[in-house]
Amino acid sequence: RKEVEQDPGPFNVPEGATVAFNCTYSNSASQSFFWYRQDCRKEPKLLMSVYSSGNEDGRFTAQLNRASQYISLLIRDSKLSDSATYLCVVNMYSSASKIIFGSGTRLSIRP
Amino acid sequence: DVKVTQSSRYLVKRTGEKVFLECVQDMDHENMFWYRQDPGLGLRLIYFSYDVKMKEKGDIPEGYSVSREKKERFSLILESASTNQTSMYLCASSLQGATTDGYTFGSGTRLTVV
Repeated sequence: RKEVEQDPGPFNVPEGATVAFNCTYSNSASQSFFWYRQDCRKEPKLLMSVYSSGNEDGRFTAQLNRASQYISLLIRDSKLSDSATYLCVVNMYSSASKIIFGSGTRLSIRP
Repeated sequence: DVKVTQSSRYLVKRTGEKVFLECVQDMDHENMFWYRQDPGLGLRLIYFSYDVKMKEKGDIPEGYSVSREKKERFSLILESASTNQTSMYLCASSLQGATTDGYTFGSGTRLTVV
């Protein structure tokens, strides 16, 4: 089983829709969690950290479910510019070397 | 803004060549990393460094070496390039102990070995 798993997609949704995707992780002792966004042929960029209490940044909401070992990302009122690959990132042991990246979920927003 | 700069955006090298990929960051970060990214495999850690002259192997160090002579610079070396090293190479940096913070990535080097 992969340490961090994501549905590769693609998710193809109309503009204005709400879309959510999950990421599961294998190590229950994992310490911190992030969502990164990666545009085609560009580098990953930090979208948001995921806190135990959940957090929201504008149209984006991230949540952590420790019991079921998954994190989620919800995008409301999706825009064309949200089209990208979203990477789930998990820090397994509070160690710089143990940050594991998921393979990413591709999201495509259509007009 | 933290900047991580990779020396080349695209490189084409021949099998057997020695290849140097350079990465420089300007925010005094202690940690620096080299990843490669391949379709379906995500980012895989090759090597990382948490201080000058210090290096640690990541998950896929075979065929690679690194050098960190100055804090701001972290070099990835392919001793004898092979076609299976064709990939996108991403450098990243972060603050020491800042495991709750994200990484800052360079814009990547797309290496093709022919």
